[in-house]
Amino acid sequence: NAGVTQTPKFQVLKTGQSMTLQCAQDMNHNSMYWYRQDPGMGLRLIYYSASEGTTDKGEVPNGYNVSRLNKREFSLRLESAAPSQTSVYFCASSSTGGGTEAFFGQGTRLTVV
Amino acid sequence: GDSVTQMEGPVTLSEEAFLTINCTYTATGYPSLFWYVQYPGEGLQLLLKATKADDKGSNKGFEATYRKETTSFHLEKGSVQVSDSAVYFCALSGFYGGATNKLIFGTGTLLAVQP
Repeated sequence: NAGVTQTPKFQVLKTGQSMTLQCAQDMNHNSMYWYRQDPGMGLRLIYYSASEGTTDKGEVPNGYNVSRLNKREFSLRLESAAPSQTSVYFCASSSTGGGTEAFFGQGTRLTVV
Repeated sequence: GDSVTQMEGPVTLSEEAFLTINCTYTATGYPSLFWYVQYPGEGLQLLLKATKADDKGSNKGFEATYRKETTSFHLEKGSVQVSDSAVYFCALSGFYGGATNKLIFGTGTLLAVQP
């Protein structure tokens, strides 16, 4: 069982460069999420997608864009990377309904220099 | 808005000690409550959950009870092991427009268990 797969696992960018983080899930989940994890801040929601074709902003959306390509895939794009976007990024997915568990990918460690 | 507050770490214990990590929440409606665990270099994985008041979630010797009257979901384990060393996150989820379960996380508590 692959679960939630994120690529790449590590990335170093220069300020101003762009990149896309890829996420795919094989559990037929409707909902997908992108979080960032920073020391002392816990996980903060960047964007989420309740279903294929819909996306909504989370707590910290500035500087990011997302695409829900199909039911399986949800990508996160940094158009012009900034040092403040240095973080660990996690993709997650869940089925719809109260109390359902979210499944997380292994994370992408991004450094912007 | 909805939020989760958990005790700051790090928490350092000796093996076989009793563990409590406090978690309180603020939410409208009736959220579900979760504890997730993150081992070094890995993603988060569900440890336990409770979906309604007075429910007790349990797994791997860990327990937490959904207390609506005190808006709390404290994590406990009677005897910790070195292998329990990890970061523990309290979280809640509910419906926020659209049928989706956004998770709102606390800041995490690092647990270090010494042999």
